[in-house]
Amino acid sequence: DQQVKQNSPSLSVQEGRISILNCDYTNSMFDYFLWYKKYPAEGPTFLISISSIKDKNEDGRFTVFLNKSAKHLSLHIVPSQPGDSAVYFCAANRINAGNMLTFGGGTRLMVKP
Amino acid sequence: KAGVTQTPRYLIKTRGQQVTLSCSPISGHRSVSWYQQTPGQGLQFLFEYFSETQRNKGNFPGRFSGRQFSNSRSEMNVSTLELGDSALYLCASSPHPGYYEQYFGPGTRLTVT
Repeated sequence: DQQVKQNSPSLSVQEGRISILNCDYTNSMFDYFLWYKKYPAEGPTFLISISSIKDKNEDGRFTVFLNKSAKHLSLHIVPSQPGDSAVYFCAANRINAGNMLTFGGGTRLMVKP
Repeated sequence: KAGVTQTPRYLIKTRGQQVTLSCSPISGHRSVSWYQQTPGQGLQFLFEYFSETQRNKGNFPGRFSGRQFSNSRSEMNVSTLELGDSALYLCASSPHPGYYEQYFGPGTRLTVT
């Protein structure tokens, strides 16, 4: 039972363009969502998060959008840079559940120069 | 501030043996969580510790156990290793359980032969 899904295993984007990574969830108890970036042989690096009381959160080139009714979130990277090439994971947490993240399967982003 | 450190980084064990992995959280962080990453199952939550107490446990057999010490350092143990336990084991820390952003270490790559 995959509660968090990233349906696109890979995405290729030209440098300077927008990258949009998508994530869907099924558990309506999730109320906090996070995006992590992972390079090979390294642990995931926290990028940006959003609480369920918001529908948008921005941090520099990264923006996360949350559509609660559709149980969908997306990460926008503008402009995309070659150094953004990595695997991106979305993760979800439930309020008062401690630090117990449920991860999606990841999307490999390739930004071409 | 130093990040999360995990030792050892790489480990090769034989089926039936046991293994202990160590994690030192970021200074001041008191919540430690463990995750397993495999190609087939992705990133899965193992357990979470805070104040030397296990707060949550994921859906893993009893062969997987852990503990946390008074200085917040944590260890996880896997007994009677199986081939399927080959994975990247990741430790993450955060200041406390209600602080949802977790910061990951580089992981321990365990290979069971």
